[in-house]
Amino acid sequence: KAGVTQTPRYLIKTRGQQVTLSCSPISGHRSVSWYQQTPGQGLQFLFEYFSETQRNKGNFPGRFSGRQFSNSRSEMNVSTLELGDSALYLCASSLEGDGRYEQYFGPGTRLTVT
Amino acid sequence: QKEVEQDPGPLSVPEGAIVSLNCTYSNSAFQYFMWYRQYSRKGPELLMYTYSSGNKEDGRFTAQVDKSSKYISLFIRDSQPSDSATYLCAMSARPDTGRRALTFGSGTRLQVQP
Repeated sequence: KAGVTQTPRYLIKTRGQQVTLSCSPISGHRSVSWYQQTPGQGLQFLFEYFSETQRNKGNFPGRFSGRQFSNSRSEMNVSTLELGDSALYLCASSLEGDGRYEQYFGPGTRLTVT
Repeated sequence: QKEVEQDPGPLSVPEGAIVSLNCTYSNSAFQYFMWYRQYSRKGPELLMYTYSSGNKEDGRFTAQVDKSSKYISLFIRDSQPSDSATYLCAMSARPDTGRRALTFGSGTRLQVQP
């Protein structure tokens, strides 16, 4: 079974621009979560989607948004990019049901803001 | 104070040694505990997943949870150079009620010397 895939793998953007990142979960997984990883703050939760609805949201500004499609694929968008948004953005999917809550991560998208 | 504390290392051991990695946490609501391994410039890979207190073994890996002490451990037996990576502990409160956000430790960098 294929793992979580994320595109693109690398991005370079300029301050003030916006960016959209994509995530395809493991087949059959309906929950998708997004995390930001930086050297200073580590891994921090952004938001989680299930059945096209945002179920949980972390402590990030409104410039960070996301959505989930009917096939469980998810996108996250960051508007008005700032230098501090440079990070590895990770998507994780989780099987819903049978008491299985572990999350499986994709390889991440490395975003550099200049 | 962070909710999850983890010694960043680096931890350097000879090949074949038993490695002990630990995390402490302050939020008594945490009930699900995970260990991830992350190689440089890759996404985190799920190693172990446990619920509540007790031990769980999988091959060379053993995870322990002591909820009374708010302390979790990961033991690696017969460590190999390929185990050299950053190990992250993660935990969540009640994913069965939809609260799936993972709170991560800062990660411990492990180096296994041949």
